[in-house]
Amino acid sequence: DAGVTQSPTHLIKTRGQQVTLRCSPKSGHDTVSWYQQALGQGPQFIFQYYEEEERQRGNFPDRFSGHQFPNYSSELNVNALLLGDSALYLCASSLVSARGEQYFGPGTRLTVT
Amino acid sequence: LAKTTQPISMDSYEGQEVNITCSHNNIATNDYITWYQQFPSQGPRFIIQGYKTKVTNEVASLFIPADRKSSTLSLPRVSLSDTAVYYCLVGDGAAGNKLTFGGGTRVLVKP
Repeated sequence: DAGVTQSPTHLIKTRGQQVTLRCSPKSGHDTVSWYQQALGQGPQFIFQYYEEEERQRGNFPDRFSGHQFPNYSSELNVNALLLGDSALYLCASSLVSARGEQYFGPGTRLTVT
Repeated sequence: LAKTTQPISMDSYEGQEVNITCSHNNIATNDYITWYQQFPSQGPRFIIQGYKTKVTNEVASLFIPADRKSSTLSLPRVSLSDTAVYYCLVGDGAAGNKLTFGGGTRVLVKP
């Protein structure tokens, strides 16, 4: 049973560009959450998708958007990249009924130059 | 969401028991306490969750006193591979499973 997978593993973009990150949830999970983790800090919640809709959002600007597909996979899009967007982007899947237990993928390391 | 406070770092030696205490003075009645482990360049991994008293699984134990204003994660007989950052989280999970991470405790296990 595959766990949470993310692609790509690493990505280098230039300031002002746009990026799309992808996530496939653990089999049987219906909810996908995205987190941003800067170096040396804990993950910060970006948003969560359930039934193809954004269910909850953290304190991130509208440049960060997402999508969930009928097969529960998800994308994170970031427009007009800033140097400060350089971070590890983590995807986590869970059941909507689960309390606090999420399964994280290995992350995508985004570097903005 | 209840704020959590935990030590920034801890050192230990192989074979010892490591106890990490987390303070959450304003924990709400519906809040659960959850601990995650994270290795460098990997996503966090769920370790254990509890509401009150003691919870034990194959990896760790979680001790929660009656007032629930703190909790202690206990890792028995640690090995070098237990070197990681450990996060204490508090929340009721009802608000869509949003997880709020703090800075975590960096545990270094020495030979």
